[in-house]
Amino acid sequence: QLQLQESGPGLVKPSETLSLTCTVSGGFISSSSYYWGWIRQPPGKGLEWIGNIYYSGSTYYNPSLKSRVTISVDTSKNQFSLKLSSVTAADTAVYFCARPWSTDGYSFFDYWGQGTLVTVSS
Amino acid sequence: DIQMTQSPSSLSASVGDRVTITCRASQSISRYLNWYQQKPGKAPKLLIYAASSLQSGVPSRFSGSGSGTDFTLTISSLQPEDFATYYCQQTYSTITFGGGTKLEIK
Repeated sequence: QLQLQESGPGLVKPSETLSLTCTVSGGFISSSSYYWGWIRQPPGKGLEWIGNIYYSGSTYYNPSLKSRVTISVDTSKNQFSLKLSSVTAADTAVYFCARPWSTDGYSFFDYWGQGTLVTVSS
Repeated sequence: DIQMTQSPSSLSASVGDRVTITCRASQSISRYLNWYQQKPGKAPKLLIYAASSLQSGVPSRFSGSGSGTDFTLTISSLQPEDFATYYCQQTYSTITFGGGTKLEIK
């Protein structure tokens, strides 16, 4: 059973860089056909896709965040990471890592981490 | 981006009721539509993918239908554990989610 766990600072100052890591257990992050992704949810609001990364390192970002987002993978640690630069209060959210999967060409997120709240405040 | 509009935004129902939630896309997305259930403080859980395929382990009282721009999630007989918020998601192009439908106990 695949398990994902987010970790990182819960408080980030405005204009700084938010950094989170997702540790994958129960499977190898470098298994072929595996993508990995990040989604966020501001308090009391809906879900926003941030981006996905293929195990080989190819990335796909939400155009609305692309200029500030970097997603990377560390196969030696079975982890993938999110960096979001120049944060503002609008970036305050619960951040989820998840596994995108596809069947017959239809993709979806089937495994999720529990989520971690990141607050942007001075 | 493709906009996903869910209705209603909130809904009150009783155990045993049949409930339908609607999701409309701003342009055709074929069947690239998923449904998730989210309970407070928890991650979303996949219920339906490809508009009508039931995810493994999800009770058969959940069903999905639609294609193109109009989709529905139906719960045939509400159970106490079904009171939650439901989101649709399109994966036809840049991934976007609907605004959510909060299902509350009447």
